[in-house]
Amino acid sequence: DAGVIQSPRHEVTEMGQEVTLRCKPISGHNSLFWYRQTMMRGLELLIYFNNNVPIDDSGMPEDRFSAKMPNASFSTLKIQPSEPRDSAVYFCASSFGVAIGNSPLHFGNGTRLTVT
Amino acid sequence: AQSVTQPDIHITVSEGASLELRCNYSYGATPYLFWYVQSPGQGLQLLLKYFSGDTLVQGIKGFEAEFKRSQSSFNLRKPSVHWSDAAEYFCATSGDTGTASKLTFGTGTRLQVTL
Repeated sequence: DAGVIQSPRHEVTEMGQEVTLRCKPISGHNSLFWYRQTMMRGLELLIYFNNNVPIDDSGMPEDRFSAKMPNASFSTLKIQPSEPRDSAVYFCASSFGVAIGNSPLHFGNGTRLTVT
Repeated sequence: AQSVTQPDIHITVSEGASLELRCNYSYGATPYLFWYVQSPGQGLQLLLKYFSGDTLVQGIKGFEAEFKRSQSSFNLRKPSVHWSDAAEYFCATSGDTGTASKLTFGTGTRLQVTL
């Protein structure tokens, strides 16, 4: 089991550029979550999918953020245009179902985004 | 809304010493509670969870936690810390649901282990 795979591990970009973060969940998991971690706000849920369908995107900070899950093995989080305040570590996590009593969340190693 | 508070931002212990990390929850009913560990450059890993039943729960890596309703606490303990335990530890709750989308994390406690 390769775990949740995120790419890239690090991304440095200039303000105004488009940024795309990628995630491959664990095979067989049907729920996928995108989190953002910052010193100021801690760990925040941005959006989650169940069976490739976005269920709750209320945590997405602005319209500049969008996420897709075209199939069960791939998801993207896009920021367009990026701003310095978007600098953070972005985590993807997956689980089998949304009931974490039965199936815990498995986190990827994160993408550290720096917007200059 | 449910929340958890971790009052200690940073703790330093000597290798071999015992450890207790504090977590207080705020919720009217019995909440679902979790402890996660985040090693440098890694994602979060679940250490243990509490839903109901026995208030002392055992987790991985020799950790345990005790749910105390009277103190609204769910403190994490380990009898003898190893240098590899140096990491950041997060307490979390999902309220009275076991739903991942409702997970709320504490601000974390960074553990430093001295040799």
